Amino acid sequence: DIQMTQSPSSLSASVGDRVTITCRASQSINNYLNWYQQKPGKAPKFLIYAASSLQSGVPSRFSGSGSGTDFTLTISSLQPEDFATYYCQQSYSMPFTFGQGTKLEIK
Amino acid sequence: QVQLQESGPGLVKPSQTLSLTCTVSGGSISSGSYYWTWIRQPAGKGLEWIGRIYTSGSTNYNPSLKSRVTISADTSKNQFSVKLNSVTAADTAVYYCARSYNWNSPFDYWGQGTLVTVSS
Repeated sequence: DIQMTQSPSSLSASVGDRVTITCRASQSINNYLNWYQQKPGKAPKFLIYAASSLQSGVPSRFSGSGSGTDFTLTISSLQPEDFATYYCQQSYSMPFTFGQGTKLEIK
Repeated sequence: QVQLQESGPGLVKPSQTLSLTCTVSGGSISSGSYYWTWIRQPAGKGLEWIGRIYTSGSTNYNPSLKSRVTISADTSKNQFSVKLNSVTAADTAVYYCARSYNWNSPFDYWGQGTLVTVSS
């Protein structure tokens, strides 16, 4: 199985901050990397696919980059609704696997 | 707009079989090139891919669960289901159904999730 490791596991930030979350794969996954946002009690919401392509309707303050084994999710200016847990997921090979999550909290 | 909705017992006894159904509306599970997927999340933990069924009926499973899991579809009801046998407390989780639009695409539509507790 491909292991996905996110850092940090948690992050405190303020509205308006720029934040970056990293995701590392245990082997190359090309650009088959997706990002999701999950709020308490809700299903994950799909944000970014193929490492850097924004899903329709997702605000442009979200962006993704990377290829191979190292990827980042950046939120350029945090909004109150962005405080949530973020997961990366590889869709390169089965079993598809997720990172352990990064909880973004209000400072 | 595709919508998915999980249903099934919220409490299962140890060693018994967990059975859940996902009802899809706004699209047919037997058309297109979609994969219909089950994912679970223990409380306070991360997400685990259980497996999926393709529109043709072919299936893929997580090797960690393969010996215990079966995913099937009922196209007449536009539903797909998961059965997990010999459950233990470690199978307690929120179970989600989801869709992906090709072999290695993300999960673009999700159900709201249903909590299944394994306890006597």
